[in-house]
Amino acid sequence: DIQVTQSPSSLSAFVGDRVTISCRASRSVDNYLNWYQQRPGTAPKLLIYRGSTLQTGVPSRFSGSGSETDFILTISSLQPEDCAIYFCHQTRTLPDTFGQGTKVEIK
Amino acid sequence: QLQLQESGPGLVKPSETLSLTCTVSGGSISDYYWVWIRQSAGKGLEWIGRIHGSGTTNYNASVKSRVTMSLDTSKNHFSLKLSSVTAADTAIYYCARDWNTDYFDSWGQGTLVTVSS
Repeated sequence: DIQVTQSPSSLSAFVGDRVTISCRASRSVDNYLNWYQQRPGTAPKLLIYRGSTLQTGVPSRFSGSGSETDFILTISSLQPEDCAIYFCHQTRTLPDTFGQGTKVEIK
Repeated sequence: QLQLQESGPGLVKPSETLSLTCTVSGGSISDYYWVWIRQSAGKGLEWIGRIHGSGTTNYNASVKSRVTMSLDTSKNHFSLKLSSVTAADTAIYYCARDWNTDYFDSWGQGTLVTVSS
């Protein structure tokens, strides 16, 4: 199975800060890497697919970059509603696998 | 707008079979792939498997000997059966649409299944 490792596991930042979350795959996933946001008590919500494509309706402060084994999710200006856990997800090879999550909090 | 809703028992006894159904509204299940994912504190998010509207399935090797997925196009729902459950199968179970085997764009709200006697 492809292992997907996120870092950091948690972070705390001020409203308006730029935040980045890293996802590293144990082997190349090309650009088959997605990002989800999960608020407490709700299902994950798709933010970015195929590495860098913004899902319809997702605010433009979210962006994704990277390819092969290294990917980054960026929140350009952190907002209070962005407090959540963020997961990366590879679909290059079955079984699909997920990162362990990054918890984002407001200082 | 596509909506998915999981249903099934919230409590299952050890060694018995967990059975869940995901009812889809706002679109036909015949045209897409559908997945089951579970989330537990110990294992995070785990892909259980997927089924296409044609009935083709793929399962995670971690549960392959115990899992069966099926669908009923007349009721526009698909189902998960997981046999011989243990406490390790306690989790929130989600169903979702797998768009072109690329990403999961619509999710159910999730249902907590606890395995306990």
